[in-house]
Amino acid sequence: DAGVIQSPRHEVTEMGQEVTLRCKPISGHNSLFWYRQTMMRGLELLIYFNNNVPIDDSGMPEDRFSAKMPNASFSTLKIQPSEPRDSAVYFCASSGTGGNQPQHFGDGTRLSIL
Amino acid sequence: QKEVEQNSGPLSVPEGAIASLNCTYSDRGSQSFFWYRQYSGKSPELIMFIYSNGDKEDGRFTAQLNKASQYVSLLIRDSQPSDSATYLCAGPSGGSYIPTFGRGTSLIVHP
Repeated sequence: DAGVIQSPRHEVTEMGQEVTLRCKPISGHNSLFWYRQTMMRGLELLIYFNNNVPIDDSGMPEDRFSAKMPNASFSTLKIQPSEPRDSAVYFCASSGTGGNQPQHFGDGTRLSIL
Repeated sequence: QKEVEQNSGPLSVPEGAIASLNCTYSDRGSQSFFWYRQYSGKSPELIMFIYSNGDKEDGRFTAQLNKASQYVSLLIRDSQPSDSATYLCAGPSGGSYIPTFGRGTSLIVHP
């Protein structure tokens, strides 16, 4: 089975530009998570969806960040406008429904904002 | 204070030794815990999960959960240099079933 698929793997862009990260969860998984990982702050949960509905976006740092899940097989995380402090590795993960379900991570997008 | 705490390390052990990684948590209602391994430049990979008090063994890995003392451990027997990675503990917190991740412990297994 295919795992969680993220694109692009690497993104380098100048500050002020719009950045869109994409994720395809594992088929049949009902929950999808977006994380950001930095050396300073570790792995931070930004937002998660259950059955395509955003459940908790309290981890989204500010209004420049937005996430959508138009269907069960696709999600995007958008940053507009981007800033150098947004540079990090962004992971998408998915899991089955309900408690006690482990998350399966994609390979991540390494984002550098110049 | 994060609700799932880990010592950042690094923990250095010789090849063949037992590596012991620990994690404490604050939510007494937490029911399940996960251990992930993350190699440098890679994504977290699930290696163990434990739901009940006691020990759970899988090959060279043993997860231990002590709900009374609110800690969970990961033991790696016969450590190999290929085990060198960061190990992340994750468990539900704040009444949510969504796992909160610790900062991770860096493990170095030297030949």
